[in-house]
Amino acid sequence: AAGVIQSPRHLIKEKRETATLKCYPIPRHDTVYWYQQGPGQDPQFLISFYEKMQSDKGSIPDRFSAQQFSDYHSELNMSSLELGDSALYFCASSLDLRDSEQYFGPGTRLTVT
Amino acid sequence: AQSVTQLDSQVPVFEEAPVELRCNYSSSVSVYLFWYVQYPNQGLQLLLKYLSGSTLVKGINGFEAEFNKSQTSFHLRKPSVHISDTAEYFCAVKSSGDKLTFGTGTRLAVRP
Repeated sequence: AAGVIQSPRHLIKEKRETATLKCYPIPRHDTVYWYQQGPGQDPQFLISFYEKMQSDKGSIPDRFSAQQFSDYHSELNMSSLELGDSALYFCASSLDLRDSEQYFGPGTRLTVT
Repeated sequence: AQSVTQLDSQVPVFEEAPVELRCNYSSSVSVYLFWYVQYPNQGLQLLLKYLSGSTLVKGINGFEAEFNKSQTSFHLRKPSVHISDTAEYFCAVKSSGDKLTFGTGTRLAVRP
């Protein structure tokens, strides 16, 4: 069965650079969620989209922005990167907002040096 | 607001012994409850979930959990663990909002 695809899987950036993470949800899933997991931490919710509109917002810094496109894939844009942004970034998708289950991608490991 | 508490940050256990990973939650509304497993350098895999109905939920890899509404708990159990069960386990809750709120995780360390 198709799963959530995230690219790239690993990314190394320097401080103050920008990064773009991509997420391709499971086919027919129209809801996408982004989570950030710092080293040794639990995943923290960043932002979610339903039908290309932002549906909920968590602890996402103002330096970050995200959107969902017409094909339902989503991109997380991160600017002015800081060392503290080094983390594993997960994307998850669900069938719709009412769907209780979120299916997680393998994550993108971002390292800021 | 909702929160999840995993009291044990690390649980060491010998192979073939039983294990229980504790999870308590707080929420003012009805919730869905989940257990996820994360192997080193990998993503999150759903072990099991409680949506409604029977309070005893069976999941993959021989794990099960019991929802206890009066104690607001959702403890994860396995009668006999294997070395391959060594991983980080996260309890999570989801209610009327669409986000998952995770606990801080419990590292299960299975020793031969």
